[in-house]
Amino acid sequence: AQSVTQLGSHVSVSEGALVLLRCNYSSSVPPYLFWYVQYPNQGLQLLLKYTSAATLVKGINGFEAEFKKSETSFHLTKPSAHMSDAAEYFCAVRPSGAGSYQLTFGKGTKLSVIP
Amino acid sequence: DGGITQSPKYLFRKEGQNVTLSCEQNLNHDAMYWYRQDPGQGLRLIYYSQIVNDFQKGDIAEGYSVSREKKESFPLTVTSAQKNPTAFYLCASSYSDREKNEQYFGPGTRLTVT
Repeated sequence: AQSVTQLGSHVSVSEGALVLLRCNYSSSVPPYLFWYVQYPNQGLQLLLKYTSAATLVKGINGFEAEFKKSETSFHLTKPSAHMSDAAEYFCAVRPSGAGSYQLTFGKGTKLSVIP
Repeated sequence: DGGITQSPKYLFRKEGQNVTLSCEQNLNHDAMYWYRQDPGQGLRLIYYSQIVNDFQKGDIAEGYSVSREKKESFPLTVTSAQKNPTAFYLCASSYSDREKNEQYFGPGTRLTVT
């Protein structure tokens, strides 16, 4: 069974500082990995995904994530935080094999940006 | 404009009543999903459907029912058997393709049962 662990339910950064949100997965084979963002009382928006191509994945809004097989990690980063980045972020995993499309989500990390 | 619509945005019901949440998509996606979100719990899969007239239980299907009579629609019924139905419900859809199957989400329905 797959699982996802997001370290830190709350992260605070100053505006302009580096954003680092951590995600570790558990899977017998390298899975497909996703980061989603959720603003209050809204649905989830896909930020980026890893599907076994390049290990460094660039997404929307200046975010990127690096797949590290040796560390079973897929941490999300952004060089400079903006006030509009304040939201909740979810890491998700699904098997890379055919016919299995269910996502397993982490519990989320709420990002606060301090002016 | 393609997307996923969920209605209503807010829903209030009395305990013991069944309630149906609507989800419609015009993205021509094959698969549709229902999730429940509780604070600090992430998203948990209730039901999913990869093709019309077929659906499977997710991790927390007890007290819920679904139908998939049309490709575009996947309504969720919260029955009186669901012990703690107050939550934020999210519908999603995707292609049933190994490489191109990221899920797209609707805006959600917040259900409050008193």
